Amino acid sequence: DAGVTQSPTHLIKTRGQQVTLRCSPKSGHDTVSWYQQALGQGPQFIFQYYEEEERQRGNFPDRFSGHQFPNYSSELNVNALLLGDSALYLCASSLVRESSYNEQFFGPGTRLTVL
Amino acid sequence: GENVEQHPSTLSVQEGDSAVIKCTYSDSASNYFPWYKQELGKRPQLIIDIRSNVGEKKDQRIAVTLNKTAKHFSLHITETQPEDSAVYFCAATLSNTGNQFYFGTGTSLTVIP
Repeated sequence: DAGVTQSPTHLIKTRGQQVTLRCSPKSGHDTVSWYQQALGQGPQFIFQYYEEEERQRGNFPDRFSGHQFPNYSSELNVNALLLGDSALYLCASSLVRESSYNEQFFGPGTRLTVL
Repeated sequence: GENVEQHPSTLSVQEGDSAVIKCTYSDSASNYFPWYKQELGKRPQLIIDIRSNVGEKKDQRIAVTLNKTAKHFSLHITETQPEDSAVYFCAATLSNTGNQFYFGTGTSLTVIP
């Protein structure tokens, strides 16, 4: 049973460029959430995808966008990169069920460095 | 939205001693409180969680307590071992709103052999 996977592991970009990060959820999970974790900080919620739609969004600008595919995998796109976008980007998957507490399981993350 | 505060930011204990990390939350509607352990360069791993209908939960050397009235919850690690050294994050969420987790700022725990 595969856990949450992310690619690439590391990425180096320059200011103004665009980047796409990928996530495959844990087998059986249908919901993907994306988080940004700056050095020494807790993860900050970017957005969540369920049934191929963005269901909830945190306090991030429109430069951050995403997509979910029919197989539940997801992409995070960031346009016009800024130095401050350098962080570990974590994907977390869960299974949405009514009247339940849905544990989230994290992927290994993608370390993005913007120069 | 929810605001989660976590203390202390760093904690050093001798091997075998206990460690306690505390979190407070602001939204009384939050009903699910997981704890994650993150080792250097690795993903956060869920180590224990508690739901709002329970006051305490134990799993071997790890326990979590929840005080809904005071809106705080704590992680207790007993008989600490060097491999417990890591950053620990608490989180809070209202589970039926799409699982947006609000995380604390983390506690760096060092267990001294």
